[in-house]
Amino acid sequence: AQKVTQAQTEISVVEKEDVTLDCVYETRDTTYYLFWYKQPPSGELVFLIRRNSFDEQNEISGRYSWNFQKSTSSFNFTITASQVVDSAVYFCALNRQGGAQKLVFGQGTRLTINP
Amino acid sequence: GAGVSQSPSNKVTEKGKDVELRCDPISGHTALYWYRQSLGQGLEFLIYFQGNSAPDKSGLPSDRFSAERTGGSVSTLTIQRTQQEDSAVYLCASSRLGGTYVGYTFGSGTRLTVV
Repeated sequence: AQKVTQAQTEISVVEKEDVTLDCVYETRDTTYYLFWYKQPPSGELVFLIRRNSFDEQNEISGRYSWNFQKSTSSFNFTITASQVVDSAVYFCALNRQGGAQKLVFGQGTRLTINP
Repeated sequence: GAGVSQSPSNKVTEKGKDVELRCDPISGHTALYWYRQSLGQGLEFLIYFQGNSAPDKSGLPSDRFSAERTGGSVSTLTIQRTQQEDSAVYLCASSRLGGTYVGYTFGSGTRLTVV
């Protein structure tokens, strides 16, 4: 069975602070994908990143960075110099590779950036 | 179309009535997924389609829920004899199988309120 755990239900920081959202996953599959999605107040899900299980290189995209550690089954997401527009619910997700595969989502972390 | 289209965007129904939710995926996307998001909760997988067949219906919460897809395109999620606990946002996503990975595209959802 697959499971994604986002232990942080809510995080609140002041603008310009760095913030890390934790994600821990469980799977018996040897190949899988990990994802992060952003859900702003408007409700649509916005794709941020997909990471292949055999690629443990960290990735940086502007103020966003992701740290994938297979040894601890974690895929954490860091926002550097946070901005008010980063306020949203962030979901970590997992699916196995091959064909049409359902995404298994964590419960989400509500991030509030205060001015 | 350009994106995944869901209708209606909002639906208020009386307890015990049947409802139909529609999802029109991106043209050419073979896979289609239904998720449910209850207030303040994560996304719960319901069912997915590969073409017109549904290899995984494991997430449907009860036999009051059913879904079909015709012509490899539009899908309808039907909830019979609605209950108040069915109130949620129902999200549809589609993805393409094979070729260059394009990811899952989510619709804006149907907010269902059972009164």
